[in-house]
Amino acid sequence: DGGITQSPKYLFRKEGQNVTLSCEQNLNHDAMYWYRQDPGQGLRLIYYSQIVNDFQKGDIAEGYSVSREKKESFPLTVTSAQKNPTAFYLCASSMVDTQYFGPGTRLTVL
Amino acid sequence: GQSLEQPSEVTAVEGAIVQINCTYQTSGFYGLSWYQQHDGGAPTFLSYNGLDGLEETGRFSSFLSRSDSYGYLLLQELQMKDSASYFCAVRDRNAGNMLTFGGGTRLMVKP
Repeated sequence: DGGITQSPKYLFRKEGQNVTLSCEQNLNHDAMYWYRQDPGQGLRLIYYSQIVNDFQKGDIAEGYSVSREKKESFPLTVTSAQKNPTAFYLCASSMVDTQYFGPGTRLTVL
Repeated sequence: GQSLEQPSEVTAVEGAIVQINCTYQTSGFYGLSWYQQHDGGAPTFLSYNGLDGLEETGRFSSFLSRSDSYGYLLLQELQMKDSASYFCAVRDRNAGNMLTFGGGTRLMVKP
């Protein structure tokens, strides 16, 4: 089955720690995205990548970093510089006009 | 920049028809999409309008008027499982063809 996987589903982090969220897709899509969603809110773009070894900042990139070494993988690191990281993180990939989302990772800072 | 406006909540009864409106402001409009998200789940694609008019997919239809910077999602024969949040999203060619999402409309379907 083709799709997007994210791990872990739930993640707890202590303040001051960096944490990396995984995103893998086997849809052969060139473009991949990371969004943040706060309760009752829409999706805000953190980073996106349209091709391997290239990525661009979205609207709220501060405190986050990404890499795109392989077409299938687009991990997101939430650094200690992100002041309010507790949120639901969604990864997506796209071909043409449709974005396909992974199941999300719910990050909680303790 | 881009901005989208949609109602925050809509309530309807099972079997009814509901329309969720979306108005947008963007400099390089390319298309309007709709996504559905159940609580705790991931958004799933519903429809896309690149040109004016109505697109129909089963019980769901989506409409676009580019001259009015306006679109809507129409849900017919509402079912309890349609209770979810619905997001409109615009694609802007002046923003790298990225999607910008609205704040979402929470639809509650009552028996």
